[in-house]
Amino acid sequence: GQSLEQPSEVTAVEGAIVQINCTYQTSGFYGLSWYQQHDGGAPTFLSYNALDGLEETGRFSSFLSRSDSYGYLLLQELQMKDSASYFCAVTNQAGTALIFGKGTTLSVSS
Amino acid sequence: DGGITQSPKYLFRKEGQNVTLSCEQNLNHDAMYWYRQDPGQGLRLIYYSQIVNDFQKGDIAEGYSVSREKKESFPLTVTSAQKNPTAFYLCASSSGTGGTEAFFGQGTRLTVV
Repeated sequence: GQSLEQPSEVTAVEGAIVQINCTYQTSGFYGLSWYQQHDGGAPTFLSYNALDGLEETGRFSSFLSRSDSYGYLLLQELQMKDSASYFCAVTNQAGTALIFGKGTTLSVSS
Repeated sequence: DGGITQSPKYLFRKEGQNVTLSCEQNLNHDAMYWYRQDPGQGLRLIYYSQIVNDFQKGDIAEGYSVSREKKESFPLTVTSAQKNPTAFYLCASSSGTGGTEAFFGQGTRLTVV
C-alpha cells in the first residue's frame, strides 16, 4: 500500500517563505509531484521530482530525497493568491497510478 | 482548446439510483484517472486506465464502475452499492507512465438525497 503524510495547515504572511513537507511510504516509487488547488477548483500541477535534489520553477521549488522517502515544496515571496491547498502525490513504481496525500491548507495573510 | 471536460458540474440523485459521470479529453492522453475528494481526505483514487479497454482499481473502487471504450472517454458510474456517494469527483488525464503532468477537469459535485 501507499501512504503520504503532510501537515494539514500552514499559515504565513505575504513575502515570507514557507516549506511544506511530505513523507511517503510506498510499495514502489517512481516520482513525487506537487499540485495546487484553490477552493472549489481543479488541482493544477506545480512540479515533479524523480531524482534526488532540488527543482526550481519561479517562486516555487521542490526537493526530493529518495533514501529518506521525503520531499518538500518551498514557496518563496508569498502572495495572497498562494492561499490554497497543496498536495504531494507519488507515482507508483510502474508509473501507472498517481496517489495523493491529504493536502496542506496554506493561508497567507497581509 | 485542448482540455479535459467533466459534466455536469452539479448532479443530484435519489438514493438507490445509479448515476454516470462523464469525463472527456481531447489532449490525446493515454492515461485517465478518477478521484473522489471529501473534506480533509485529499484525493482518493477510484479507478485508473493506461490504455483503451483496460483499467485498474484504485484504493476505493468498491461501489464504482468504469469503462474505457475510447481513448477520449472514461465515464464513472456510481452504483447503488456505494454506501456514501455524496462527494466531489475529479477526473484527470496524463500523457502516459511516469511523472508526467496530470490535467484535471473542473469536477462534478454529486449529491445523493
